[in-house]
Amino acid sequence: DQQVKQNSPSLSVQEGRISILNCDYTNSMFDYFLWYKKYPAEGPTFLISISSIKDKNEDGRFTVFLNKSAKHLSLHIVPSQPGDSAVYFCAASANNQGGKLIFGQGTELSVKP
Amino acid sequence: DAMVIQNPRYQVTQFGKPVTLSCSQTLNHNVMYWYQQKSSQAPKLLFHYYDKDFNNEADTPDNFQSRRPNTSFCFLDIRSPGLGDAAMYLCATSGLATYRGKGETQYFGPGTRLLVL
Repeated sequence: DQQVKQNSPSLSVQEGRISILNCDYTNSMFDYFLWYKKYPAEGPTFLISISSIKDKNEDGRFTVFLNKSAKHLSLHIVPSQPGDSAVYFCAASANNQGGKLIFGQGTELSVKP
Repeated sequence: DAMVIQNPRYQVTQFGKPVTLSCSQTLNHNVMYWYQQKSSQAPKLLFHYYDKDFNNEADTPDNFQSRRPNTSFCFLDIRSPGLGDAAMYLCATSGLATYRGKGETQYFGPGTRLLVL
């Protein structure tokens, strides 16, 4: 039973355009959501997060949107750059779960010059 | 720089031969986690330590064990590796705020890729 799903295994975007990565979840107890970025041969690195009490969080070119009623979140990257090419993981956690993260399968983003 | 270090980066073992993967951290975090990630799949939590308290996930096979001799080090022992255990193993750490569900994040090492022959 996959509680966090990223249904697009890959996404290709032109440099300078917007990248939109999507994530759906099923567990209504999740109250904190994170996006991680992973380059080949490296571990995931934290990118941006959002608490369930918010519907938007912005950090530079990266914005995460949360739609609790739809149990959906998305990561927007504007403008996309070739260095953004990586695998992006969505993750969720619930309070009192020891910080346990439930990850999606990842979306591989390719930003073409 | 404070970081999470995993050794070795690549490990080849034989079917049934015990193997140990190691993780160390300079972040002085209370919590250390081990994840297994198979190809094109989501990282899956195996277990975590809160200080010396061990917390096993319900579906983690008995074949997987862990040790945390001190704050800085944590080991993953696979007692009898099978072909299905070939994967990337990720170690992560977090502070108390994350453990208590107050946000923040986990910090990951680069991972150890295990190959079972």
